[in-house]
Amino acid sequence: NAGVTQTPKFRVLKTGQSMTLLCAQDMNHEYMYWYRQDPGMGLRLIHYSVGEGTTAKGEVPDGYNVSRLKKQNFLLGLESAAPSQTSVYFCASTSPQGANTGELFFGEGSRLTVL
Amino acid sequence: EDQVTQSPEALRLQEGESSSLNCSYTVSGLRGLFWYRQDPGKGPEFLFTLYSAGEEKEKERLKATLTKKESFLHITAPKPEDSATYLCAVQVSGGYNKLIFGAGTRLAVHP
Repeated sequence: NAGVTQTPKFRVLKTGQSMTLLCAQDMNHEYMYWYRQDPGMGLRLIHYSVGEGTTAKGEVPDGYNVSRLKKQNFLLGLESAAPSQTSVYFCASTSPQGANTGELFFGEGSRLTVL
Repeated sequence: EDQVTQSPEALRLQEGESSSLNCSYTVSGLRGLFWYRQDPGKGPEFLFTLYSAGEEKEKERLKATLTKKESFLHITAPKPEDSATYLCAVQVSGGYNKLIFGAGTRLAVHP
């Protein structure tokens, strides 16, 4: 049972390059989220999705785009990477009931460095 | 502005030395408060949900409590395997299932 899988786990980019982070979940969850985690700060929500074909902005959406073409996948794109986007990115998923109880299932994270 | 503050930032305990972690919050309307555990290099793992003041939840050596302004995570007779970062998050009324996370408390339990 894989749960939530993120790829790649590590990536180094140069300023201005683009890339996509992939999140896949095998729990048939409706809701999916992308967070970033920076030292000394709490997890911050970038974008989220409440179902296939839907996406919405979170707290810190600028510089990122997302797509949810299939229920099990949630992609996070950086069109033109900036050093301020150096962070650890976490994908999470849950059911509608889980969203109310706070029971999110997280991937292991993708560490991105932008030079 | 909705805010979650955890203290201390880091805590070092000897095995068996009980202690508490604090999560204080200032939010417009609390729907729920959640505790997570995060091991190094891993994603957060859900522990507890608390909905109202006075509520308590327990799991092994951990007990979470909630008041109107803060939550405590009590660790009784901790073991080295309890070493992790503990995250607190709140869900606010009227939100879009948005969770506001605190920065966490790094706990190290030494034998």
